Amino acid sequence: AQSVAQPEDQVNVAEGNPLTVKCTYSVSGNPYLFWYVQYPNRGLQFLLKYITGDNLVKGSYGFEAEFNKSQTSFHLKKPSALVSDSALYFCAVTRSGNTPLVFGKGTRLSVIA
Amino acid sequence: NAGVTQTPKFRVLKTGQSMTLLCAQDMNHEYMYWYRQDPGMGLRLIHYSVGEGTTAKGEVPDGYNVSRLKKQNFLLGLESAAPSQTSVYFCASSYFPGTSDRQETQYFGPGTRLLVL
Repeated sequence: AQSVAQPEDQVNVAEGNPLTVKCTYSVSGNPYLFWYVQYPNRGLQFLLKYITGDNLVKGSYGFEAEFNKSQTSFHLKKPSALVSDSALYFCAVTRSGNTPLVFGKGTRLSVIA
Repeated sequence: NAGVTQTPKFRVLKTGQSMTLLCAQDMNHEYMYWYRQDPGMGLRLIHYSVGEGTTAKGEVPDGYNVSRLKKQNFLLGLESAAPSQTSVYFCASSYFPGTSDRQETQYFGPGTRLLVL
């Protein structure tokens, strides 16, 4: 069975500083990994995904994530945080295209001006 | 393209009442999903469909039924609502694997907020 852990319920960072939102996963076989963002009173928006290839994946709004197979992690990063990045971030995993995604519980990012 | 739309946006029910949530997508996606989102629980899959006329149970299917009579629509039904079903419900859709480089990426609707008293 697949599972995702987001160990931090809340991450606070000052505007302009780098940010990291952590995600670890458990899946049999090769993982398909995703990050989604949710702004208040909105649905989830796709940020980026790792299927295969380069371990560093670049996505929307300047976000990137690094796939680390040995640590079973897929942390989301951004070099310089913006106040507008404040939102709820979800990591998700599946083991192939035929199985539904399993989502983490979410991490609330707060960027302070 | 409207993407994924959900109807209604908000609803209040009394315990025991029934209702149907409608999800529609105009992206010709094969796969459709219903999730519920509760504080501290993330998104949990209720039911999903891999094509017209097919449905499957997710993580938390009890108390819900679904139907996929048309490819573009996925209905979620509550036959006898309970306060434990108070939640925000999200629909999502995605391409069939192997048909697009955007496969597996799920596209979400704006959500339906349901309050059961």
